[in-house]
Amino acid sequence: AQSVSQHNHHVILSEAASLELGCNYSYGGTVNLFWYVQYPGQHLQLLLKYFSGDPLVKGIKGFEAEFIKSKFSFNLRKPSVQWSDTAEYFCAVNAPLGAGNNRKLIWGLGTSLAVNP
Amino acid sequence: DAGVTQSPTHLIKTRGQQVTLRCSPKSGHDTVSWYQQALGQGPQFIFQYYEEEERQRGNFPDRFSGHQFPNYSSELNVNALLLGDSALYLCASSRRIGGSNTGELFFGEGSRLTVL
Repeated sequence: AQSVSQHNHHVILSEAASLELGCNYSYGGTVNLFWYVQYPGQHLQLLLKYFSGDPLVKGIKGFEAEFIKSKFSFNLRKPSVQWSDTAEYFCAVNAPLGAGNNRKLIWGLGTSLAVNP
Repeated sequence: DAGVTQSPTHLIKTRGQQVTLRCSPKSGHDTVSWYQQALGQGPQFIFQYYEEEERQRGNFPDRFSGHQFPNYSSELNVNALLLGDSALYLCASSRRIGGSNTGELFFGEGSRLTVL
């Protein structure tokens, strides 16, 4: 079955530390890849996405993610985190659902990031 | 450009009652997905509507039903409410490209349902 694994459930960092959140998926075909973020008390929003082209994609607030097809990975990175990056981060993969045009968005369980000032 | 709007923002119901939640998608979007998010958990996919039909469904019982209207807005109905239905219900809209949903979702603020 298709699945998305996020390696870290809880991460605690100090400001200015570097961040890398792991995400692996199990589907071998063409996928669209996403990181969504949920700041405390706010709704989910798109952080960045990969559809095709340059495997290194840049998102909002200095985040970037690298798609490595051979490793089925889409890890999220930020060189220097800020207190305001404290949030829940969700990796999601959009993969074909059977025949036809229908695709299914599969979510990871999320990583809770706490950044200490 | 209005984003995704949901109503009501908060509501309290008792066990056994029925509830209807409403969602207006972002302008230009034709697909609406509904998610349930329990406190401290990730979003759980309920179902997705496109062209007024349910296209995908997650592992939710038939008590959860929905509808999409010609203007792309949508409703989520939950019958015979249980205590465990207490959660934040999120509506997400998207736009199909070539008939295919890309996975890029725009979320509303959610409707917080409390079942007593």
